[in-house]
Amino acid sequence: EVQLVESGGGLVQPGGSLRLSCVGSGFTFSSYPMSWVRQAPGKGLEWISYISGNSISIYYADSVKGRFTISRDNAKNSLGLQMNSLRAEDTAVYYCTRDPPRGYTYSYFAHWGQGTLVAVSP
Amino acid sequence: DIQMTQSPSSLSASVGDRVTISCRASQTIKTHLNWYQQEPGKAPKLLIYAASSLQHGVPSRFSGSGSATDFTLSISSLQPEDFATYYCQQTYSFPYSFGQGTKLDIK
Repeated sequence: EVQLVESGGGLVQPGGSLRLSCVGSGFTFSSYPMSWVRQAPGKGLEWISYISGNSISIYYADSVKGRFTISRDNAKNSLGLQMNSLRAEDTAVYYCTRDPPRGYTYSYFAHWGQGTLVAVSP
Repeated sequence: DIQMTQSPSSLSASVGDRVTISCRASQTIKTHLNWYQQEPGKAPKLLIYAASSLQHGVPSRFSGSGSATDFTLSISSLQPEDFATYYCQQTYSFPYSFGQGTKLDIK
């Protein structure tokens, strides 16, 4: 069974930093691209970053570009999101998601973690 | 960047009704369109991928159609567990983007 488990959320002051982690199990982690998606309280879904299985391809939403860094450690089945210069508008539940493996024609998020809450407040 | 616009933003319906939700892309995305269902406090669940392919385990009352810029999610006969929020998503190009959501509630 595919499982994704996020951790690292919490309360942080504006301008501060936080690192989220997501551990995957039940699949060959290195074969799958991964993404982070967030959802502000009472709001819709926002895709924020993607990383290919070999970390060669990385993309960000404009809202986080230059402040957030996605990474992965395939030996540890782990996905990371380093978040710097945090703002109140970054307050959200952050989900890690799994794409289909490399070579698939279509991308979609069939597997999601349970989410971890990041609150940015003085 | 590709903008996704869903309509309506909210919808009231009864058990047994047939409902449709629309999603429009600001430029062609061919059939790189996914639909998700989200219940309060839970992670989204994939319903439809590639515009019309039903995800394993999703009831057949859900269906998707469309291509290029206009897409539709249909639910043929609403069940109590279908009252939730629905999102479309384009994965044709980065940055990926979601529609703003359609909240489906009980009339």
